[in-house]
Amino acid sequence: DGGITQSPKYLFRKEGQNVTLSCEQNLNHDAMYWYRQDPGQGLRLIYYSQIVNDFQKGDIAEGYSVSREKKESFPLTVTSAQKNPTAFYLCASSIFGYTQTDYGYTFGSGTRLTVV
Amino acid sequence: KQEVTQIPAALSVPEGENLVLNCSFTDSAIYNLQWFRQDPGKGLTSLLLIQSSQREQTSGRLNASLDKSSGRSTLYIAASQPGDSATYLCAVRGQGAQKLVFGQGTRLTINP
Repeated sequence: DGGITQSPKYLFRKEGQNVTLSCEQNLNHDAMYWYRQDPGQGLRLIYYSQIVNDFQKGDIAEGYSVSREKKESFPLTVTSAQKNPTAFYLCASSIFGYTQTDYGYTFGSGTRLTVV
Repeated sequence: KQEVTQIPAALSVPEGENLVLNCSFTDSAIYNLQWFRQDPGKGLTSLLLIQSSQREQTSGRLNASLDKSSGRSTLYIAASQPGDSATYLCAVRGQGAQKLVFGQGTRLTINP
């Protein structure tokens, strides 16, 4: 079955550490996204990528970095510059552009990051 | 800037009732609108996608409508069941945009 795999499910970060969250999709989607979810604040876009080797900042990109070396993979690094990284992180993918067969976004199961 | 609002923030109803969840958006120039379900600690599951040219979509006991001119969408759930308990999120994709803008969700509880 096609889908999005996020790993790990739970991640603990010490102060000053960088950590990387994995996101892999086998849906042949060109576009991929990272969202952050905090209680009472809804989902906020961190970064998105429309094509390999290209990505754009979302609404809350500070303290995060991404890469897109392969179509299937879009890892997110939470750097030590992110002062409040404890949150639930969701990866998604979709087609790029506008077609008759747009099925919208597909989401992964999420990674819960906690600072210890 | 597109803003999406969902009312109410929480809703509790007895099993078997039909119910309506509301979503409003400020910019009517949208490409599509998507309803999702989220169970506690889990990712988002897509329920229904309505293209801007459509008025409604149906899947089983779920029916979603779209009124672009008024900036509103509703999700109708028929014959609610305890298994429908979850948070329901509405998201819109604007014309010329790739990203989704989300509402804050409605937390639904169906009581047996």
